[in-house]
Amino acid sequence: AQSVTQPDIHITVSEGASLELRCNYSYGATPYLFWYVQSPGQGLQLLLKYFSGDTLVQGIKGFEAEFKRSQSSFNLRKPSVHWSDAAEYFCAVGARYAGNMLTFGGGTRLMVKP
Amino acid sequence: DTAVSQTPKYLVTQMGNDKSIKCEQNLGHDTMYWYKQDSKKFLKIMFSYNNKELIINETVPNRFSPKSPDKAHLNLHINSLELGDSAVYFCASRRIQGSNEQFFGPGTRLTVL
Repeated sequence: AQSVTQPDIHITVSEGASLELRCNYSYGATPYLFWYVQSPGQGLQLLLKYFSGDTLVQGIKGFEAEFKRSQSSFNLRKPSVHWSDAAEYFCAVGARYAGNMLTFGGGTRLMVKP
Repeated sequence: DTAVSQTPKYLVTQMGNDKSIKCEQNLGHDTMYWYKQDSKKFLKIMFSYNNKELIINETVPNRFSPKSPDKAHLNLHINSLELGDSAVYFCASRRIQGSNEQFFGPGTRLTVL
């Protein structure tokens, strides 16, 4: 069975500082990997996704993530955080078959200090 | 031009009642999903459905049932509501061919009193 672990429940960074959110997955083959962001009271918005090819993927809002097969990781990064980035971030893995139900990590709440 | 919409946004009801949440997508997608987000923000898949196949997460009680009147709609019916059903329910959709991205609705916050 697939699973996702986000080791950090809360992270606080200063505005303008760099950010890295960790994500580790367990899946028997090459997975589909996603990062979603959820602002308070809102739905989930896709930041970026990895299906195949280049292991460094670029997303919206200046985010990027790197797929490292050897470490079963898909960490999310941003070089300079803005106050509007404060939100809950979810990493997810999707199976490569028709159903493709996503399995989510527990989420990381990002707080940004002025 | 909302891609995935859900109604209602908020639903407050008594234990034992039966309720439905509606979901519609105008993206022409083949597959739709229901997810449950509990009070600790943990997101869990409940159902995956296209016109050929329903996949049920085995942990979902049979009081929950998805119903799809057509390809653009997947409604969630809940019978005999319990306190533990209080959560935010998200609908999502995906096209089988091409991008594997799921598009999520805004969520329905269900509160059972």
